[in-house]
Amino acid sequence: GAVVSQHPSRVICKSGTSVKIECRSLDFQATTMFWYRQFPKQSLMLMATSNEGSKATYEQGVEKDKFLINHASLTLSTLTVASAHPEDSSFYICSASWDRNNEKLFFGSGTQLSVL
Amino acid sequence: EDKVVQSPLSLVVHEGDTVTLNCSYEVTNFRSLLWYKQEKKAPTFLFMLTSSGIEKKSGRLSSILDKKELFSILNITATQTGDSAIYLCAVHSGNTPLVFGKGTRLSVIA
Repeated sequence: GAVVSQHPSRVICKSGTSVKIECRSLDFQATTMFWYRQFPKQSLMLMATSNEGSKATYEQGVEKDKFLINHASLTLSTLTVASAHPEDSSFYICSASWDRNNEKLFFGSGTQLSVL
Repeated sequence: EDKVVQSPLSLVVHEGDTVTLNCSYEVTNFRSLLWYKQEKKAPTFLFMLTSSGIEKKSGRLSSILDKKELFSILNITATQTGDSAIYLCAVHSGNTPLVFGKGTRLSVIA
């Protein structure tokens, strides 16, 4: 199956630090990638849809100035949590699809962010 | 608004038991329903269902879709402790990203 690599797997940082998370599709080109956030014991919450070469589409309630998404190439999308605060602590997961309809998604292994 | 509801939210069974997980949905322009298994990290894909009445099977897991009644079930037979996970149901409609249910947390005890 397709492989999506997400890095880093874990980040512990001080409040005010900006954190960058990378999501790469290793063996396919992904025109669209998705970023999710997951709180403990809760389901995945879609944050934004990242399209290669264009601005990301953010879901309602997600601050675009706080969660900066860049999709510079067909295999790489990055999520930067700007000036992270403790309430940003969460599990962030990316996913990518190789089909045009974005039905079958492959997920990265996730990033656990802890902001002190 | 598209909605996916899973039940039960949590379930504890003994090894060897058979479990049935439920997923009902209300979406416009349904395209497919997907099941994922999430252990410690990211969800792993189990099944994608697009047609009613056709059972998909993988080892001890099977799933079926009813597009008339708008639900799907995921069956796990002869459960093992390694089946303990959160099982997520997601529905794809049109061009929108997947809508996820809250998941069913399955705990299999020896």
